[in-house]
Amino acid sequence: DIQMTQSPSSLSASVGDRVTITCRAGQSISSSLNWYQHKPGKAPNLLIYAASSLQTGVPSRFSGSGSGTDFTLTISSLQPEDFATYYCQQSYSTLLTFGQGTRLEIK
Amino acid sequence: EVQLVESGGGLVQPGGSLRLSCAASGFTFSTYAMSWVRQAPGKGLEWVSGIGGGGRSTYYADSVKGRFTISRDNSKNTLYLQMNSLRAEDSAVYYCAKGGLTMAGTYFDLWGRGTLVTVSS
Repeated sequence: DIQMTQSPSSLSASVGDRVTITCRAGQSISSSLNWYQHKPGKAPNLLIYAASSLQTGVPSRFSGSGSGTDFTLTISSLQPEDFATYYCQQSYSTLLTFGQGTRLEIK
Repeated sequence: EVQLVESGGGLVQPGGSLRLSCAASGFTFSTYAMSWVRQAPGKGLEWVSGIGGGGRSTYYADSVKGRFTISRDNSKNTLYLQMNSLRAEDSAVYYCAKGGLTMAGTYFDLWGRGTLVTVSS
């Protein structure tokens, strides 16, 4: 299985801050990397697919970059509704794997 | 309306069985690969199993291989997960998720709200 490692595991930030979350794959996965936002009691929500493509309906303050083994999710200016847990997920292998998650909390 | 609705969760004893269902609507179900993803209490998301649109290709995480079986009935627009030999560590909210045209390169653009499975004596 391809191991996905996110950093940091948790992060405190303020409204208006620029935030970056990183995801590292255990082997090269080309651009087969997706990002999700998950809030308690809700279904996860796709933000970014294929490393850098913004899902329809997702605000433009979210962006993704990277290829190979190193990827980033950036939120350019945090809004109150962005406080949640974020997961990366690789789809290079048909045995899909998620990162362990990054919990974004209000400072 | 485009949606996925899971059912079939509940309390089951260790070693027992349970079958989850996921009813799909609002899209051409047979076109898309589908998966089950779970979240144990206090833990992150874990992909469990996936199936191609035609139902012939199936994929499993090592943690459930040999115990869980994924299937689909495209005539009923329904995805299933048969879970046997359940363990305490299988306790989780199980989500049904819509993937892409194939499992490779897939991302989940539609999720259900989940169904809770609790394995306990």
